[in-house]
Amino acid sequence: KQEVTQIPAALSVPEGENLVLNCSFTDSAIYNLQWFRQDPGKGLTSLLLIQSSQREQTSGRLNASLDKSSGRSTLYIAASQPGDSATYLCAVKVRTGNQFYFGTGTSLTVIP
Amino acid sequence: NAGVTQTPKFQVLKTGQSMTLQCAQDMNHEYMSWYRQDPGMGLRLIHYSVGAGITDQGEVPNGYNVSRSTTEDFPLRLLSAAPSQTSVYFCASTLSGRATETQYFGPGTRLLVL
Repeated sequence: KQEVTQIPAALSVPEGENLVLNCSFTDSAIYNLQWFRQDPGKGLTSLLLIQSSQREQTSGRLNASLDKSSGRSTLYIAASQPGDSATYLCAVKVRTGNQFYFGTGTSLTVIP
Repeated sequence: NAGVTQTPKFQVLKTGQSMTLQCAQDMNHEYMSWYRQDPGMGLRLIHYSVGAGITDQGEVPNGYNVSRSTTEDFPLRLLSAAPSQTSVYFCASTLSGRATETQYFGPGTRLLVL
């Protein structure tokens, strides 16, 4: 069974800092990996999707990388802002079946 | 497009009661799924469907039933609610479940079972 881990569970940084969130998974047989943002009491919003054949994806201040062989992905946030405060989740879609597996998330607080 | 909608937003049940959580999408997506989110455990897949008339079990299906009679709707039924089913439930959809497709999530239903 695929296990997805996100470390740290919580992170607090001052505004303007660049930061990296980590996601690791145990089975490299994946179709894709997605990073989501979740605001308190809300649903999930997709930030970036990386297919298994890709190494990275970029959207604005966000850059996600994927190293399938080592079972790792990182989400890089440049010049962090208070509005970036949220929980960030990663999820992998496995090749067997049609299932997605989520990590437990990293709660980010950006201090003005 | 309204995207993925869920009703109700919040529900309180007594142990043993049954209820149906509603999920609908207006994007003509084939793939729909139900997750539950519990503190410290992330989102776990309950059931999913790859199209009308086709459903399958996810990681934690016990105590839940689903059906998919139309492309748009994917209701989740709790047959006899238990306190362990207290959770936040999310419905999600993708166009066809391919590797290139983003998942879209509904706003969630908070369920408390007393």
